[in-house]
Amino acid sequence: DVKVTQSSRYLVKRTGEKVFLECVQDMDHENMFWYRQDPGLGLRLIYFSYDVKMKEKGDIPEGYSVSREKKERFSLILESASTNQTSMYLCASSQSTGEVMNTEAFFGQGTRLTVV
Amino acid sequence: AQSVTQPDIHITVSEGASLELRCNYSYGATPYLFWYVQSPGQGLQLLLKYFSGDTLVQGIKGFEAEFKRSQSSFNLRKPSVHWSDAAEYFCAVGPRGYQKVTFGTGTKLQVIP
Repeated sequence: DVKVTQSSRYLVKRTGEKVFLECVQDMDHENMFWYRQDPGLGLRLIYFSYDVKMKEKGDIPEGYSVSREKKERFSLILESASTNQTSMYLCASSQSTGEVMNTEAFFGQGTRLTVV
Repeated sequence: AQSVTQPDIHITVSEGASLELRCNYSYGATPYLFWYVQSPGQGLQLLLKYFSGDTLVQGIKGFEAEFKRSQSSFNLRKPSVHWSDAAEYFCAVGPRGYQKVTFGTGTKLQVIP
């Protein structure tokens, strides 16, 4: 089974702290994604990466950065956490090449981040 | 720009009743469409997807969806709902290769005995 693992289920951080959310996938997928999920807003794409050291901004990148030094790991960084970044964060991965019919994203369990 | 509209925020159905969740999309080319389900406290699980071919798509857990290009819709259906189907359902649209997929705002399904 494909596995996408997020390092923490719950995190509580203080305003102004630097926060790292880690995600690891075990299927050698090229693409990895970070989404933010808020009630009534669905999932919004923060950043995605289609290869090691490559990244592209999603719809809401402000206040976030990412790092992908190894293919299996994709980190989301909140440089200076703020209360409006309190949310559920979901990591996903997908295969870029191969049969289109097999393209889908596999999601981690999510990290619920509270910034106080 | 691509977009997805799920007009129903909450839906309540009785166990055993049929279900239809609505999804309308806007996309400039041939869309790649997905339905995902999220159980409480969990990540998202793919129910089904449409890329091309037969417009009626079968998925897991007894779900199906029909792609209607003329109506820009991709509605999810199930003939008989089980209590375990209570969850939040997300429709999504995107390009080939699952990059920059756009999700709808979700429909929360409640199942009553």
